[in-house]
Amino acid sequence: AQSVAQPEDQVNVAEGNPLTVKCTYSVSGNPYLFWYVQYPNRGLQFLLKYITGDNLVKGSYGFEAEFNKSQTSFHLKKPSALVSDSALYFCAVRELFNNAGNMLTFGGGTRLMVKP
Amino acid sequence: GAGVSQSPSNKVTEKGKDVELRCDPISGHTALYWYRQSLGQGLEFLIYFQGNSAPDKSGLPSDRFSAERTGGSVSTLTIQRTQQEDSAVYLCASSLARRTDTQYFGPGTRLTVL
Repeated sequence: AQSVAQPEDQVNVAEGNPLTVKCTYSVSGNPYLFWYVQYPNRGLQFLLKYITGDNLVKGSYGFEAEFNKSQTSFHLKKPSALVSDSALYFCAVRELFNNAGNMLTFGGGTRLMVKP
Repeated sequence: GAGVSQSPSNKVTEKGKDVELRCDPISGHTALYWYRQSLGQGLEFLIYFQGNSAPDKSGLPSDRFSAERTGGSVSTLTIQRTQQEDSAVYLCASSLARRTDTQYFGPGTRLTVL
């Protein structure tokens, strides 16, 4: 079975400072990893994904994430936070094989608050 | 191009009534997914359609829930005899066929059961 943990319900950061939103995962095989962002009363917007290759993945709006196989982590990062980055962030995993990979499994979400 | 669309955006119903939620996927996407987002349970998978294959219904919480996908495009999620615990945001997503392909989500339908 696949699972995702986002250990922080909320992350607070000052505008201009770097931000990190943590994610760890568990799968039985190779993982496909995704980050989505949700603004109030909106659906999920895709930010970036790791499939294979370079462990550092760059995505939309200046976000990036680093895949670390030994630590089973896929933390989301941004060098300089903006107030407009304030939103709910979801990490998700999908397995390569078996029916468990018929869907994304999401973490519980982390609320990012960026203060001016 | 057009994204995933869902209707209605909001639905308020009385306990015991049936509801239908509609999803229009991105044109050309063969895979379609329904998820549910609620405060207590987070984001949960409900059902997955891929082309002409039998759907994966393993996430449906009870037999009151059903879904169909007509002509490989539009999908309808039906909840019969709604209960208060069915109150949630129902999200639809679509993608191309591979597991590595990105799922693109619609804006969701907020269902409130009184």
